[in-house]
Amino acid sequence: SQQGEEDPQALSIQEGENATMNCSYKTSINNLQWYRQNSGRGLVHLILIRSNEREKHSGRLRVTLDTSKKSSSLLITASRAADTASYFCATDDNTGFQKLVFGTGTRLLVSP
Amino acid sequence: DVKVTQSSRYLVKRTGEKVFLECVQDMDHENMFWYRQDPGLGLRLIYFSYDVKMKEKGDIPEGYSVSREKKERFSLILESASTNQTSMYLCASRPPGLEHTIYFGEGSWLTVV
Repeated sequence: SQQGEEDPQALSIQEGENATMNCSYKTSINNLQWYRQNSGRGLVHLILIRSNEREKHSGRLRVTLDTSKKSSSLLITASRAADTASYFCATDDNTGFQKLVFGTGTRLLVSP
Repeated sequence: DVKVTQSSRYLVKRTGEKVFLECVQDMDHENMFWYRQDPGLGLRLIYFSYDVKMKEKGDIPEGYSVSREKKERFSLILESASTNQTSMYLCASRPPGLEHTIYFGEGSWLTVV
């Protein structure tokens, strides 16, 4: 399996703190995407970073990419209770088909 | 907005039953996918389709089949449901191009008893 891995598996913080999640993947990539999943719902796209980018921002989200280490991190600044969700990274699998391989996810709990 | 609709949100089926999970997307996407999600295992790809009547196996196709007779509809079939197929099933669609995101339905929770 080419499935990537996120760590930590679970993260518990207080509102206002920053949350950092890491993702490792196995193959060379064109880009890497992060998704969010609220409990019991489908996944929603957050941000895409290209392989030639090292950092990208979107609102309170900051994503970094280190292709030499095959890793990425997602930072959520000034977290809110509404950020409570699972977060997944995803990469294309380089087969030429348009399918994404998802990591195992990080469960984030933000307490008021 | 892209909409991916899974027809059943919650299902309870008996062992040995044939189960159909239906998925419809409204954005004319070529690619459609069925994932299974289990605690601690993340999302695992069951089958995908890149065009009408075309299908490819994913990582865990055993015990499943799919049908794509129309571009907007992608069905997952459990020929003979077993208890180890109790899971959350997620349908998704994606336009061609590696910089496009994938759009998910809300998921179907299947319990096989």
